[in-house]
Amino acid sequence: GAVVSQHPSWVICKSGTSVKIECRSLDFQATTMFWYRQFPKQSLMLMATSNEGSKATYEQGVEKDKFLINHASLTLSTLTVTSAHPEDSSFYICSAPTSGRRDEQFFGPGTRLTVL
Amino acid sequence: ELKVEQNPLFLSMQEGKNYTIYCNYSTTSDRLYWYRQDPGKSLESLFVLLSNGAVKQEGRLMASLDTKARLSTLHITAAVHDLSATYFCAVLNSNSGYALNFGKGTSLLVTP
Repeated sequence: GAVVSQHPSWVICKSGTSVKIECRSLDFQATTMFWYRQFPKQSLMLMATSNEGSKATYEQGVEKDKFLINHASLTLSTLTVTSAHPEDSSFYICSAPTSGRRDEQFFGPGTRLTVL
Repeated sequence: ELKVEQNPLFLSMQEGKNYTIYCNYSTTSDRLYWYRQDPGKSLESLFVLLSNGAVKQEGRLMASLDTKARLSTLHITAAVHDLSATYFCAVLNSNSGYALNFGKGTSLLVTP
């Protein structure tokens, strides 16, 4: 199956700093990628849809100025958590459907963010 | 709004026993996914169910889909400890660019 990577796999930062998380599709092109957030013992919640060549679409309640998404190419989407605070500590997971095959969704390994 | 409900949320079962996890969803969807998540890890795809009446089996797990009832089941046969994990069902949401709406997950513990 297709492979999606994320970098870094974990990060610890101080409150007020910004953190960038990368999501790459390694062997296929992804015009769309999805960013999910998972708090401990909870389910995955969609944060935003990243679209190559256009603005991201954010779910209700997600601050677009705080969670900056850039879909720079057909294989890379980045999520930047700006001015991170402890409540942003979470597991961030990206996914990508292969182009034209919406029934196949491939998830990255996730990024564990801890804000001190 | 597309809602996905799983039950039970917690399940402790003995090795060798059978059990079923249920997943109900609120609006029409023709894609139903089951995933496994181990602690600290991302999602592992188990099944993708694409049509009404679909049944898929892999080892001790079998998933089925009834689109008319908006219900999917994940049946565990003769559970073993290695099946201990959290299981999520998810439904394709065409209103969110084909992202997935997830159930709350079923935390399964298989004991000797």
